[in-house]
Amino acid sequence: EIVMTQSPATLSVSPGERATLSCRASQSVSSNLAWYQQKPGQAPRLLIYGASTRATDIPARFSGSGSGTEFTLIISSLQSEDFAVYYCQQYDTWPRTFGQGTKVEIK
Amino acid sequence: EVQLVESGGGLVQPGGSLRLSCVASGFTFSSHAMSWVRQAPGKGLEWVSSISGSGASTYYADSVKGRFTISRDNSKNTLYLQMNSLRAEDTAVFYCAKVHLPSTWSGSFDYWGQGTLVTVSS
Repeated sequence: EIVMTQSPATLSVSPGERATLSCRASQSVSSNLAWYQQKPGQAPRLLIYGASTRATDIPARFSGSGSGTEFTLIISSLQSEDFAVYYCQQYDTWPRTFGQGTKVEIK
Repeated sequence: EVQLVESGGGLVQPGGSLRLSCVASGFTFSSHAMSWVRQAPGKGLEWVSSISGSGASTYYADSVKGRFTISRDNSKNTLYLQMNSLRAEDTAVFYCAKVHLPSTWSGSFDYWGQGTLVTVSS
């Protein structure tokens, strides 16, 4: 099983600042990596797939990069609606696995 | 507009059974693999199971293998999860999710249902 490790667990950021979230895979997943955003009481929402492609209607302030085992999600200028938990997920091999999540909170 | 609507959750005793349903609309259901993902209270996301568009192929997490069965009825645009021998650790919100691209396993989950809560307790 591929283990996905996200860091940090919690990120405190002021509105308007940049947030950088990391995700590491225990073995290569090529570019088969997605990022999701989840707000309290809501289902996850797909942000990024293929490591770097924004999903439909996702604002340009969200960007993803990386391949193999190291991935990054950057939120260039945090808006109030961006404070949430973010998960990475690999869909390269079975079982599909998620990271434990990074909570982005207001500083 | 893509919609996924789950139902069937509830309170069940340890060792009991439950069947979840997910009705899909707004896309060609039979062309897309579908999955179940769960989230225990206050915890992260855990993939549970996936099924191909035709229903011929399935995958399961080790934690549910032999106890849960995923299936689909493409004539009804409905995904199912039959859960047997339920344990306290199965308590979670269960989401159905659509695989992004048609005719492939290898895809992210681009649409999710609102989730249905399963509580296993005596």
